[in-house]
Amino acid sequence: AQKVTQAQTEISVVEKEDVTLDCVYETRDTTYYLFWYKQPPSGELVFLIRRNSFDEQNEISGRYSWNFQKSTSSFNFTITASQVVDSAVYFCALSEPGAGGTSYGKLTFGQGTILTVHP
Amino acid sequence: DTEVTQTPKHLVMGMTNKKSLKCEQHMGHRAMYWYKQKAKKPPELMFVYSYEKLSINESVPSRFSPECPNSSLLNLHLHALQPEDSALYLCASSQPLDNEQFFGPGTRLTVL
Repeated sequence: AQKVTQAQTEISVVEKEDVTLDCVYETRDTTYYLFWYKQPPSGELVFLIRRNSFDEQNEISGRYSWNFQKSTSSFNFTITASQVVDSAVYFCALSEPGAGGTSYGKLTFGQGTILTVHP
Repeated sequence: DTEVTQTPKHLVMGMTNKKSLKCEQHMGHRAMYWYKQKAKKPPELMFVYSYEKLSINESVPSRFSPECPNSSLLNLHLHALQPEDSALYLCASSQPLDNEQFFGPGTRLTVL
């Protein structure tokens, strides 16, 4: 069975601090995808990144960066120089390959980390 | 157009009412999803439609009835709901053979 663990339930930082959100996953599949989503108070889940199991390159997008380490089954997310607008719930998710002839993968979400950035 | 729209944004209904939630996307996605999200919890998958056919029903009670009238639209018909069904209902869509799901803003449902 697949499992995603986000050990940090809540994180509170002051603006301009760097913050890292941890994500550890479990799967028996050799092919899988990892995702990070942001959910602001408005409710919409905003896609941030997808990484497949064969691509361990770290990625940077502006103030966001992701560290994928297959050896430790981790996919951590760092926000550099945090801003108040970064306050949201962040979900890490794991997608299993499509099953039963379906053309999609079921997402398994972590419990989410509530990030609050204070001015 | 790279968004998923959902209507209404908010819905309050009594336990004897019948209402529907609507979801629309124009990205040519052929997989569409309904999720239920309770406060401070991750989204839980309810239904998946693939090529307008119901592919997955995650043991959802029959008081929730999904419908996919065409490749752009997804409805969720609600009847005789319980107060514990109050939640944020999220719709998502994805390309076939691609698991990157695009989510709508959700409908906040309150059952009195």
